[in-house]
Amino acid sequence: DAGVIQSPRHEVTEMGQEVTLRCKPISGHDYLFWYRQTMMRGLELLIYFNNNVPIDDSGMPEDRFSAKMPNASFSTLKIQPSEPRDSAVYFCASSFEDSEAFFGQGTRLTVV
Amino acid sequence: GENVEQHPSTLSVQEGDSAVIKCTYSDSASNYFPWYKQELGKRPQLIIDIRSNVGEKKDQRIAVTLNKTAKHFSLHITETQPEDSAVYFCAASPRSSNTGKLIFGQGTTLQVKP
Repeated sequence: DAGVIQSPRHEVTEMGQEVTLRCKPISGHDYLFWYRQTMMRGLELLIYFNNNVPIDDSGMPEDRFSAKMPNASFSTLKIQPSEPRDSAVYFCASSFEDSEAFFGQGTRLTVV
Repeated sequence: GENVEQHPSTLSVQEGDSAVIKCTYSDSASNYFPWYKQELGKRPQLIIDIRSNVGEKKDQRIAVTLNKTAKHFSLHITETQPEDSAVYFCAASPRSSNTGKLIFGQGTTLQVKP
């Protein structure tokens, strides 16, 4: 398995534009997590899914953020409209039951 | 909800010395405590984890201890090497209740001086 795959690796967009981040978890994993990493706030859990169902989205900063998992092999995190303060590295991670969570390489988002 | 506090935020040691990073958590239901290492520009990667049914776990130069009563756990790195320099994150999760939620501490930047 190639591990957790995220795309794009880097994204630069203008304020107000819609941004979509993508994640393919490891095959067979039943948990999927979206994290945001900044210098100021560290690694923040935004939302996580279990068997494609959103379980806890209390970390989603505001209504501009939304996440979906239409099937076991794909998830998206969308920001609309984007703002400069959304600039961060966004990580997707997956795990099987209560085992280790594996992280993707992350998407570095810059909103100008 | 769970809150994880990690200390210190930065740690500088001489090569060969030991390094200790400490974390406390708030949710008594948490029973899974992993430690991740993140090198500059890379993804966090698991280095060791411990579950609440054990008090200590060791893997070569790395060990983790857990005190469930006090709700704290620590990472110990012995005989540190320059390649140990990275950011280390602790995390806590109430895995047995099938929530899967994994909450991270703020991170510790470890610098090992040659």
